[in-house]
This record gives sequence, C-alpha cells and structure tokens, in this order.
Amino acid sequence: AQSVAQPEDQVNVAEGNPLTVKCTYSVSGNPYLFWYVQYPNRGLQFLLKYITGDNLVKGSYGFEAEFNKSQTSFHLKKPSALVSDSALYFCAVRPDSNYQLIWGAGTKLIIKP
Amino acid sequence: ETGVTQTPRHLVMGMTNKKSLKCEQHLGHNAMYWYKQSAKKPLELMFVYNFKEQTENNSVPSRFSPECPNSSHLFLHLHTLQPEDSALYLCASSQDIPAGYYEQYFGPGTRLTVT
Repeated sequence: AQSVAQPEDQVNVAEGNPLTVKCTYSVSGNPYLFWYVQYPNRGLQFLLKYITGDNLVKGSYGFEAEFNKSQTSFHLKKPSALVSDSALYFCAVRPDSNYQLIWGAGTKLIIKP
Repeated sequence: ETGVTQTPRHLVMGMTNKKSLKCEQHLGHNAMYWYKQSAKKPLELMFVYNFKEQTENNSVPSRFSPECPNSSHLFLHLHTLQPEDSALYLCASSQDIPAGYYEQYFGPGTRLTVT
C-alpha cells in the first residue's frame, strides 16, 4: 500500500537553530511532493512542492526541502528557526498513478525562545 | 486569507439534526475538495469535484451528502451524524486535477461537534 510517514509526532527546536521535519514515502513511480503548514485554528497553507528538476526546492517563510529519490525522502528544513514557525506540518505525496494526495499524519513543530 | 471561505466556523449538532457546511472559493479554480481532519491522523479525502462534476467519493457514509452547484461553491449536507463524525472539516480548491502538480488552497475549516 502506498503511504507517507512523518516519523516524529513532535519536534522541539530552540529559536535560531536549524530545524528539520522528516518525511518519507512509499509510492510507485515519480511522485509529486508537497509540504503544508497549519497554524492554530487555521486551514492548511501550501509551503513548497517538488515536481521535477533541482532536488532542493525553496518555499515560503524561508523553508526549503530536499528530494532524495534513493531514500524516498522529502525532508523540510530551515536554517534558523523562529518562534512563529511553531505549527503543525504536513507532508503530502501525489503518486503518478493517481491524482489523489496521500497525506502524512503531521508533525508538531515547537520552537522555544 | 487564502481565498477560500467556510461557514460556519463552529457547529454543534445533535445526532438527529440536519445541517449544511458551505465553502466558497474566490480563486477561479476548477477543482474543489472536502477533507476530514482528526487529531494525529492523516487528512481523509471525502469528496472531489472537478468542473462541478464529482470525480471521487472515498467510501464516505451516506449521512454526508455533497453538492457543487458551480465551480466556486461547495456544500456538505449533514444528517443523522454519529459522535465519531466530530472533527474539523476542511474545504480546499486547486486550479485543476489531472495535471496533479497544482497545490491546494484550504479554507479555515468548520469545527463540528456531534452530541
């Protein structure tokens, strides 16, 4: 079965430190990969996506993600975390065989001052 | 503001009530979606409409009934719900479906509580 895993329910990072939120997937073919963020009492907001080309993609709010085909991963990163980055982060994958997104369960990111 | 609005933001209903959730997108998109979000679980896709035509119904119980009168509006009609239906219901839209690489834009959601 096709799936997306976000292995950490919660990630704690000190403000100013680099952050990584992990995502691995198990889908066939060449998928499209997405990251979304959800702030409290809000809907999800699109952060970035990988479709093709350069494995390092840059998105909103200084976030970037690296596509690693051999490890089937798409980790979200930021060089210097802000308290305002605290939110719930979702990884989603669209297999090339189906237009529906497969979602991870989300990772709560907490940035401490 | 993402350009997708949802009303109401909060809804409490008894199991015998009938209510409707409304979603409107101002982005000129052709595809609209209903998702169910429960804590610590992946988003569950419920229904998909592309150019007003329903393209997906992911084995959703018949107590949930979608309606898409045009590409800008989407409704979710609710009746005889169960307590386990309590969740955040999210509406989303995207430019298209078949291309697959368009991101989705989400509304703020309706927090539904079934008593």
